[in-house]
Amino acid sequence: DAGITQSPRHKVTETGTPVTLRCHQTENHRYMYWYRQDPGHGLRLIHYSYGVKDTDKGEVSDGYSVSRSKTEDFLLTLESATSSQTSVYFCAITPGGSGTEAFFGQGTRLTVV
Amino acid sequence: GEDVEQSLFLSVREGDSSVINCTYTDSSSTYLYWYKQEPGAGLQLLTYIFSNMDMKQDQRLTVLLNKKDKHLSLRIADTQTGDSAIYFCAVPKSGYNKLIFGAGTRLAVHP
Repeated sequence: DAGITQSPRHKVTETGTPVTLRCHQTENHRYMYWYRQDPGHGLRLIHYSYGVKDTDKGEVSDGYSVSRSKTEDFLLTLESATSSQTSVYFCAITPGGSGTEAFFGQGTRLTVV
Repeated sequence: GEDVEQSLFLSVREGDSSVINCTYTDSSSTYLYWYKQEPGAGLQLLTYIFSNMDMKQDQRLTVLLNKKDKHLSLRIADTQTGDSAIYFCAVPKSGYNKLIFGAGTRLAVHP
């Protein structure tokens, strides 16, 4: 257990509504990541953070924003949810630094109807 | 093409060996990883290999790395039903603060 908690674990929302997913870690690690998992695509990086208020885009960042105002929390926001954002979202940390072994949360299953 | 490629599905008989392959286009000189995901769960690190190694063995698992061909493989000996899962290879992208994952190979083990 790497001390990563994602909330909520499941959510159903309507198209056009804003949604925020939370990732909380207890170990004060610098690097945190948001991935989405879709069949046939594996895990794709949405955004990542390398410190408080330091974030950068991943490969599928359109339609998503992130914030990191505290070391322990990394928030992912869908400003206006679309059906294409129905997915399973995973948060990860890399305690050893960037590009090292990643530890994952349990995932959030988001359905946009 | 994709940075990291894997075949999507592998079916093996219980007791046989499984070989899951991964090819990549770019990697920094650090570790390369194999992750396992069981149904409804997050990813768990299964094993890894450092980029200056050709082979690593860990009980039933053997990882082979061919840096020249940018090819990574995971062999599971004596495959059991409990090995049924999705297996992801992950490669650090050179110059970036991130791991790049393959699409995952779903391993199905049948009697």
